[in-house]
Amino acid sequence: QVQLVESGGGLVKPGGSLRLSCAASGFTFSDYYMSWIRQAPGKGLEWVSHIDASGTTIFYGDSVKGRFTISRDNANNSLYLQMNSLRTEDTAIYFCARGGYKYANSWGQGALVTVSS
Amino acid sequence: IVLTQSPGTLSLSPGERATLSCRASQTVTSSYLAWYQQKPGQAPRLLIYGASTRATGIPDRFSGSGSGTDFTLTISRLEPEDFAVYFCQQYGSSPKTFGQGTKVEIK
Repeated sequence: QVQLVESGGGLVKPGGSLRLSCAASGFTFSDYYMSWIRQAPGKGLEWVSHIDASGTTIFYGDSVKGRFTISRDNANNSLYLQMNSLRTEDTAIYFCARGGYKYANSWGQGALVTVSS
Repeated sequence: IVLTQSPGTLSLSPGERATLSCRASQTVTSSYLAWYQQKPGQAPRLLIYGASTRATGIPDRFSGSGSGTDFTLTISRLEPEDFAVYFCQQYGSSPKTFGQGTKVEIK
């Protein structure tokens, strides 16, 4: 079955950087759009970024544009999110999800990112 | 597009019918609206897409309807495992946006 496992979360100071990874299995990774969606503590959901199957079409939400970079490695079934210039408002659980052109039909368990001094 | 869900909290008993609303600030193109269920400490799960199509493995007590700016998720008879938070999401316009959620709690 579809499995998405995030890693790389943690505590970082404002202005710092962090790289999230998502290991995918149970489906043909190279056939699918992939996304990062975040949820601030006790809050709703925000679509952070998505990338098409080949890695050529990319979307970023306005709140992360210019600071975050999404990428993928189809040979290793992996999705990444490089997060730079982190702010306290970036504190959230970051979910890796399959899909992204429309909706997300499978989600990982999430990685907690805490930005605090 | 801003999605407004109501009510914020719905208090019902198992076996009762739940009706959740999602209202959009603009017309949602082609009824491109999805519903997700999220339980505490878990990732969201896709329930409905295209406003009314159930995702794989979703029981038929869950149904979606609506078009334009008004959409509804109905749970015909609440099972104990259905008490959770439900989010709507539109994908007809960029950026894709979510509603703030409706919590269905046990009365």
